[in-house]
Amino acid sequence: EADIYQTPRYLVIGTGKKITLECSQTMGHDKMYWYQQDPGMELHLIHYSYGVNSTEKGDLSSESTVSRIRTEHFPLTLESARPSHTSQYLCASSEVGFDEQFFGPGTRLTVL
Amino acid sequence: TQLLEQSPQFLSIQEGENLTVYCNSSSVFSSLQWYRQEPGEGPVLLVTVVTGGEVKKLKRLTFQFGDARKDSSLHITAAQPGDTGLYLCAGDSGGYQKVTFGTGTKLQVIP
Repeated sequence: EADIYQTPRYLVIGTGKKITLECSQTMGHDKMYWYQQDPGMELHLIHYSYGVNSTEKGDLSSESTVSRIRTEHFPLTLESARPSHTSQYLCASSEVGFDEQFFGPGTRLTVL
Repeated sequence: TQLLEQSPQFLSIQEGENLTVYCNSSSVFSSLQWYRQEPGEGPVLLVTVVTGGEVKKLKRLTFQFGDARKDSSLHITAAQPGDTGLYLCAGDSGGYQKVTFGTGTKLQVIP
């Protein structure tokens, strides 16, 4: 079954740690996205990619970085986590020419 | 940056009541989607509307796309506790531009 996966689902870490949030999709979608969302609030686009070796920054300034070496994989890295990074991070993918985005379950990050 | 404003921001109603959520923008969209998100999960697509004036029905949910393709509404008839969640509209300007998500409407249906 085609799907989109995110790991870990929950992460609690200390300030200054480097972390990578994983996102993988099995649908062969070229377009992938990372959103930041505070509980019950709107989504803020922080990174997106239109294919392998393509990455762009979104509307919300973020200290994170992303890479797209394989179509199915779009990891997000924080070099030095801070309490202000505490949030939910949602990964999504879509097919070129189609509007629907498929979302992963999210990673709830808490930085102490 | 294109903005999609949703209203109301929060809505708490009794089971059986009707409600309407609005999604407004000054920009024209080639299509507009509505998503519902439950706590701890990612948003799930409910519907896509593409034609100005289009009306789509999904059981008790009715979606309308404005004639000018700048706004949309979601009407729920006889709301049920299972309708509780965050409702998000999202507009696509077409081509390779990214989708813009609305500000969200948090709905609580009380049994």
